[in-house]
Amino acid sequence: QSALTQPRSVSGSPGQSVTISCTGTSSDVGGYNYVSWYQQHPGKAPKLMIYDVSKRPSGVPDRFSGSKSGNTASLTISGLQAEDEADYYCCSYAGSYTRVFGGGTKLTVL
Amino acid sequence: EVQLVESGGGLVQPGGSLRLSCAASGFTFSSYEMNWVRQAPGKGLEWVSYISSSGSTIYYADSVKGRFTISRDNAKNSLYLQMNSLRAEDTAVYYCARDFRGTQIDYWGQGTLVTVSS
Repeated sequence: QSALTQPRSVSGSPGQSVTISCTGTSSDVGGYNYVSWYQQHPGKAPKLMIYDVSKRPSGVPDRFSGSKSGNTASLTISGLQAEDEADYYCCSYAGSYTRVFGGGTKLTVL
Repeated sequence: EVQLVESGGGLVQPGGSLRLSCAASGFTFSSYEMNWVRQAPGKGLEWVSYISSSGSTIYYADSVKGRFTISRDNAKNSLYLQMNSLRAEDTAVYYCARDFRGTQIDYWGQGTLVTVSS
């Protein structure tokens, strides 16, 4: 149950695009199409942004997109806005109803 | 509207026990699997435990196995986490989180803070 690997921080200017990577193993990210991404603002609960690798829940802007290649999943945020500044966490199903999270990435909008 | 409200957190000494509760509303609680997830101060998210809709299937993270017990009362729309033999490293905000399809989490409560310290 080792944590997935995410960059500690990423940054971008308003209007630009950023991509956050999430690297696991064949036992989690690479083994299932059940990767989700969460946005967490300081002092708040996480919010689901992407599920099933690339699907967006109702209400999440289409500026947020997800993908996966092998053992690495990615979250791309296009047209950056100030309110996108937050921590982002990936999560993967790891079999037998267990999950593993990434260490989190702090997104700074410059 | 889905609502998950945790309670029961507080300050406890190492080796002590605490029971967390989560009151669910806005959805048919008995139809959903549930999880507990925690977040140590300034740290990332850590999955703690899963329970099926009926309560018959339960899993734990290795870090809490043998010390924590997850349970639910579908008649009361409530989820619980009994935490025993608490350690300093269990200090965290504990979130109640709704599951979907047994694979991912969609809704989270606001969390309750557990502090283990002498």
